[in-house]
Amino acid sequence: ELKVEQNPLFLSMQEGKNYTIYCNYSTTSDRLYWYRQDPGKSLESLFVLLSNGAVKQEGRLMASLDTKARLSTLHITAAVHDLSATYFCAASRGSGGSNYKLTFGKGTLLTVNP
Amino acid sequence: DAGVIQSPRHEVTEMGQEVTLRCKPISGHNSLFWYRQTMMRGLELLIYFNNNVPIDDSGMPEDRFSAKMPNASFSTLKIQPSEPRDSAVYFCASSFSTTEQGSNQPQHFGDGTRLSIL
Repeated sequence: ELKVEQNPLFLSMQEGKNYTIYCNYSTTSDRLYWYRQDPGKSLESLFVLLSNGAVKQEGRLMASLDTKARLSTLHITAAVHDLSATYFCAASRGSGGSNYKLTFGKGTLLTVNP
Repeated sequence: DAGVIQSPRHEVTEMGQEVTLRCKPISGHNSLFWYRQTMMRGLELLIYFNNNVPIDDSGMPEDRFSAKMPNASFSTLKIQPSEPRDSAVYFCASSFSTTEQGSNQPQHFGDGTRLSIL
């Protein structure tokens, strides 16, 4: 059974600081996703990581994937208040046509303080 | 482009009543997912349809839950009879995938239905 663990679960940051959210998964997975959820809102896709060593960046967020270590990271650079949200990682089980099944981490609640 | 559309946004009903949640996936997407989100259990996949056919319903909690996808642009999740423990946010998501390669795209989520069973 695929398990996904995120840490930390709660993160309070000062504006302008850098930090990293970690996502570990227990068994082989061929896809790793990062989502953002604002309170009471939907999940918004941030990144899809498809291969070992994949790195993607969007604004102040950068995600990477190390399939050998079964680890993905979401790095936040020079945080701003607008980044306050809950961030989820999700890994897919199966391969080929059966890789639809996502297992989500519990989420990291990020609060960026002025 | 319109995203995944869910209705209603909020539903409050009494225990024992039938509840029907509705979803319109993104046009062109052939995969549809129903999820449930609670504080205790996080996000759980309930059922997955591909090309309107239920592929995996192993996450459906019990016989009180049923889901249908009569065509490519509409799906329902029904709970009958509803119980207080069914209270949660229910999300519908869609994506495009192929049999051979699955999907390299993210699943796109609707705004969810916040369900409260009294």
